[in-house]
Amino acid sequence: DSGVTQTPKHLITATGQRVTLRCSPRSGDLSVYWYQQSLDQGLQFLIQYYNGEERAKGNILERFSAQQFPDLHSELNLSSLELGDSALYFCASSVGSPRDEQFFGPGTRLTVL
Amino acid sequence: AQSVSQHNHHVILSEAASLELGCNYSYGGTVNLFWYVQYPGQHLQLLLKYFSGDPLVKGIKGFEAEFIKSKFSFNLRKPSVQWSDTAEYFCAVTLNTGFQKLVFGTGTRLLVSP
Repeated sequence: DSGVTQTPKHLITATGQRVTLRCSPRSGDLSVYWYQQSLDQGLQFLIQYYNGEERAKGNILERFSAQQFPDLHSELNLSSLELGDSALYFCASSVGSPRDEQFFGPGTRLTVL
Repeated sequence: AQSVSQHNHHVILSEAASLELGCNYSYGGTVNLFWYVQYPGQHLQLLLKYFSGDPLVKGIKGFEAEFIKSKFSFNLRKPSVQWSDTAEYFCAVTLNTGFQKLVFGTGTRLLVSP
């Protein structure tokens, strides 16, 4: 157990819908990262928040957005879902420097039908 | 933009065989290097990491990796694999800048037969 929790574990939805994925970081970690793992793209960085503020953006679509709340949990919102959005979405947390280990959650498997 | 290459996509070994998984990165500056492992149905876990100092790094479960700066490589090794090492292995880098995003390689699926 990494100490990072993600809900839900599985999500099945239809094209065009909107979903919210939730992540709670390890106690004491200020940084939260979101990654997408798919068969064709591999593991891709989406976005990072540090202590409530967006720190870095990766290959995140405009239909996707995220935020980090004052209690440091984070939500990833995916809207106007397409079949290609089906993937495993991981959240990770760390203290916040480039040398810190990132601790990964168990992931949310999203299936868009 | 930096990238990470893992040349072995699938590796099949028998128990007790030696393992070496290749990892090359493309970035001219200072990088931090990581190997993560994903066991079937589990989350990513850190095996080992390298920032500076001794280029031979020892990690958990008997794994080690060697940083060769001139070759931009960070290969993972284990002298004798076990069935329980069956997993997917990811090499990753971060840069020593304000951004801490991990850039992952494509992963290597290792199957160890008993």
